[in-house]
Amino acid sequence: QKEVEQNSGPLSVPEGAIASLNCTYSDRVSQSFFWYRQYSGKSPELIMSIYSNGDKEDGRFTAQLNKASQYVSLLIRDSQPSDSATYLCAVSPPSGTYKYIFGTGTRLKVLA
Amino acid sequence: EAEVAQSPRYKITEKSQAVAFWCDPISGHATLYWYRQILGQGPELLVQFQDESVVDDSQLPKDRFSAERLKGVDSTLKIQPAELGDSAMYLCASSSGLATYNEQFFGPGTRLTVL
Repeated sequence: QKEVEQNSGPLSVPEGAIASLNCTYSDRVSQSFFWYRQYSGKSPELIMSIYSNGDKEDGRFTAQLNKASQYVSLLIRDSQPSDSATYLCAVSPPSGTYKYIFGTGTRLKVLA
Repeated sequence: EAEVAQSPRYKITEKSQAVAFWCDPISGHATLYWYRQILGQGPELLVQFQDESVVDDSQLPKDRFSAERLKGVDSTLKIQPAELGDSAMYLCASSSGLATYNEQFFGPGTRLTVL
């Protein structure tokens, strides 16, 4: 069983719509959660981090965390063609080396 | 703006040759990571340093890969000999320290092609 699961996509949304990206994780004690954006051929870029249950908003991005259900999601409002990329979810435990476990990413396509 | 530096950006080599990658983390960042990312997959941790010490190298193929961070600042990852299956993006990241909430920031990566 994969430790961090994401739908590989592609997820296609029209320009201006809300894109919803989901991530589930298997380790119940996971403490910290991160969303990265990765354009084709480029390195991952940190978008959001979230540590507590609930919502965290930053501009057009909202991260949602539900530890009881072991999922974290990323909402992108007013999606733009420039948001077209792969979105990686990463999960970190509360102890040890705090090693990130990455999902395989969801490819998002925003259609103009 | 502080960034993680990596070189080279691209490397083409023949199998059985040696290759080396260099990384300079964000100034002041004590924790440095080397990842390998195969197309269509998420980054996989190869080795993690805290200052000059290795804290995790459980996924590093030690028969051919080596990594060092001698002065606790910049780091080198070496592959000898390179194999066809080593073709991938090699990413370096850094964070301010060892804690669950510490965010990792990636460099631009090195795209390795082994022929």
